[in-house]
Amino acid sequence: DADVTQTPRNRITKTGKRIMLECSQTKGHDRMYWYRQDPGLGLRLIYYSFDVKDINKGEISDGYSVSRQAQAKFSLSLESAIPNQTALYFCAIGTSGSLADTQYFGPGTRLTVL
Amino acid sequence: DQQVKQNSPSLSVQEGRISILNCDYTNSMFDYFLWYKKYPAEGPTFLISISSIKDKNEDGRFTVFLNKSAKHLSLHIVPSQPGDSAVYFCAASPGGSNYKLTFGKGTLLTVNP
Repeated sequence: DADVTQTPRNRITKTGKRIMLECSQTKGHDRMYWYRQDPGLGLRLIYYSFDVKDINKGEISDGYSVSRQAQAKFSLSLESAIPNQTALYFCAIGTSGSLADTQYFGPGTRLTVL
Repeated sequence: DQQVKQNSPSLSVQEGRISILNCDYTNSMFDYFLWYKKYPAEGPTFLISISSIKDKNEDGRFTVFLNKSAKHLSLHIVPSQPGDSAVYFCAASPGGSNYKLTFGKGTLLTVNP
């Protein structure tokens, strides 16, 4: 089983709709992250959480919100989707110990906003 | 301001030859550096990392070199294989308890048979 699972894998929606992307992990790590990838722009951090009661904005949090429902689950919401939120979205988890800065990514969700 | 730069959007090499992917950074607080590989329709996969206390780290065909004075790191793949064709992202972290990564824009490597 994959360490990080994302659902859905693909989603097409319309402008103004509310969308939730879900992420779950089986590793028991405290740290979870949401990124988006756009062509030519690399990976940009949207939100991150270091434990269930900790939520932090990343560099591009406007238009997004998150919820850390449990240690293993971290959801990303688009309250009112707009076309420029069309992108690949990745969830990542942070490990501990000697590789504490290393993050491991889920398979991604391709979101299209029409 | 882009703190991690991968100035080559793409690189093409012949199978069996060396691939060298470069990355520059501007933030002197970065303490830990990573390379990720990404295939289409998959998430980025951790490849190799290096701490700022080292100047080289090797793992099989992959070696990362760090030149702190030049704020430059490179990933060497020897020998290159067609299965290495992917987008490679360089990432950096300030270390400590920050646990946030800053990514470059990526370099598309194509290894031709």
